[in-house]
Amino acid sequence: DGGITQSPKYLFRKEGQNVTLSCEQNLNHDAMYWYRQDPGQGLRLIYYSQIVNDFQKGDIAEGYSVSREKKESFPLTVTSAQKNPTAFYLCASSLGAVGELFFGEGSRLTVL
Amino acid sequence: AQTVTQSQPEMSVQEAETVTLSCTYDTSESDYYLFWYKQPPSRQMILVIRQEAYKQQNATENRFSVNFQKAAKSFSLKISDSQLGDAAMYFCAYGRIYNQGGKLIFGQGTELSVKP
Repeated sequence: DGGITQSPKYLFRKEGQNVTLSCEQNLNHDAMYWYRQDPGQGLRLIYYSQIVNDFQKGDIAEGYSVSREKKESFPLTVTSAQKNPTAFYLCASSLGAVGELFFGEGSRLTVL
Repeated sequence: AQTVTQSQPEMSVQEAETVTLSCTYDTSESDYYLFWYKQPPSRQMILVIRQEAYKQQNATENRFSVNFQKAAKSFSLKISDSQLGDAAMYFCAYGRIYNQGGKLIFGQGTELSVKP
């Protein structure tokens, strides 16, 4: 079945450590996205990529980094520079520049 | 900048009844998309319904329908014959057609509970 796979589902990190969240899709979608979800704030865009080897900052990119070396993969690194990284992270993809997003099941990151 | 506002943090409905979730947005664009997404306790976002701004006819998907008022910049979701499985967080989202790479702007969400 086609879809988006995020891993791990739950992740704990000590302060000062970088952590990478994986996102893989087999939908053959060109565009991929990372959103952060906090209670009462909806979803906020971190980074997005419309094509391999290219990506753009979203609204809250500080403290995060991404890469897009393959069409299927869009990993997100939460660096130690991110001041409040505890959140639920959602990866999504879309077929083109418009239209609906397809989401993964999310990854919950907790900083201890 | 575009914004999306959901003014109802929580809503409750009796099973088999009808409920309407509100959403307003702000944009200077004339062409765009609007979406309602459902996030059940499993946390995976699922598309409920979409509306293209150039279409005057309101979108409908089985028990789900929208009331799209372009001039008022309002996009409400009506759920008819509510079922226990409809209990979830619902997000309204706006998407530009050009240049934005498909990214969506989301409202804060409305948590819907369904009473048996």
